[in-house]
Parts: sequence; C-alpha cells; structure tokens
Amino acid sequence: DQQVKQNSPSLSVQEGRISILNCDYTNSMFDYFLWYKKYPAEGPTFLISISSIKDKNEDGRFTVFLNKSAKHLSLHIVPSQPGDSAVYFCAATSTGAGSYQLTFGKGTKLSVIP
Amino acid sequence: SQTIHQWPATLVQPVGSPLSLECTVEGTSNPNLYWYRQAAGRGLQLLFYSVGIGQISSEVPQNLSASRPQDRQFILSSKKLLLSDSGFYLCAWSDLTLQYFGPGTRLTVT
Repeated sequence: DQQVKQNSPSLSVQEGRISILNCDYTNSMFDYFLWYKKYPAEGPTFLISISSIKDKNEDGRFTVFLNKSAKHLSLHIVPSQPGDSAVYFCAATSTGAGSYQLTFGKGTKLSVIP
Repeated sequence: SQTIHQWPATLVQPVGSPLSLECTVEGTSNPNLYWYRQAAGRGLQLLFYSVGIGQISSEVPQNLSASRPQDRQFILSSKKLLLSDSGFYLCAWSDLTLQYFGPGTRLTVT
C-alpha cells in the first residue's frame, strides 16, 4: 500500500518554463511534507518543506502547495533551469509519531531541456 | 557542522558472499539513523531505523540486518547476498526536523 504516490515517473520541460511536480498521499496522519532532489549516484538533498498548517511555502524559484482536503501537494519550479534536471522525491511524515520516519514516493525524473 | 560518511562508494559482490556497509555521522549526538535502498526504477525504501545504540527497527523482511555499535555508527550487513540485493544504499540521519542523506553505496550483486 503506497501511502505517498508520485504518478508521473518523468517530466520534460523547456528551460525557462514552469515545472510542476505532483504528489498524492493517503495517510491523514501525515502533517509535514518535504521535497528532496537527487542527482545520479548521490544522496538526496532537502529542497523545501511545508507543514499542514500552511497551504503554500516559497523559497526562491521553488514553491510547494498543499491541498489537505485533496491530500495533494505540488512543487512548482519557476523558471526551470537545466541544473534542475534530477529526480524529485516527495516525502511525508507524522510529526507526532516520535521516530521521525519519512515515507517517500517513487520519484519523478525531471528533465529541463535547454 | 554535521557530516555523514558512507563507504565503500561502490561494491561488486558475488551471490552468496557477505556484506558490510558502514555509515558514520559527525557533529551531532544521539541522532536517529536510517538505512534506505533505492532499487532500479523504484523509490526510496526504508530498510532499518535506529533511535539509539543497540536499538534497531526493521521495516521489511529480508536477508539484511543492521547494527548500531556506537552512537554515530550504523552498519548494514548480510551473511549471504542475493541478486535482488543490488541497488543504491543510502544512510541518513535525522535531527527531528529533516533527514540528511549520505553519498550512498552502489552495490552490484553478480
């Protein structure tokens, strides 16, 4: 049972345009959501997060939107740059659980075309 | 600042051979530690996590095991590797706000 789903395994976007990566979750106990970026043969690095008390968090070119009623979040990258080409993982956790486990989606491979 | 090390970076092992991957964290005390595996075409699968020395929780049944002999050392082991153990193994530590990943070990079982 996949509690965090990234239904698009890959996405191609032209440089300068907007990239939108989507993520759905099923566990209503999740209250903190994160996006990680991963280059090949490297560990994932934290990109941006959002708490369930917010519906939007912005950091430079990256914005995460959360729709709790739909159990859906999305990552917007504007403008997209070739260096953004990587695999993006959505992750979720329940902060009350104590062990701070993250549940990851399967990832979306973003390719930004120059 | 905190750093996390994993070694080796790459490993090629025959089926049936043992495995030992090591992870160490510097610059923090009593971190939560995690082992993940990313298999080809799949996401990040949590294998083990530890909240303290000698405390290991397993998330999936498998022929792998983990140990935490010291506060900042986490070891992933196997007595006999299977072909299906091939993948990219990641160690991570948590400060209860984020998880920080190591550089990973690429394991190929032949």
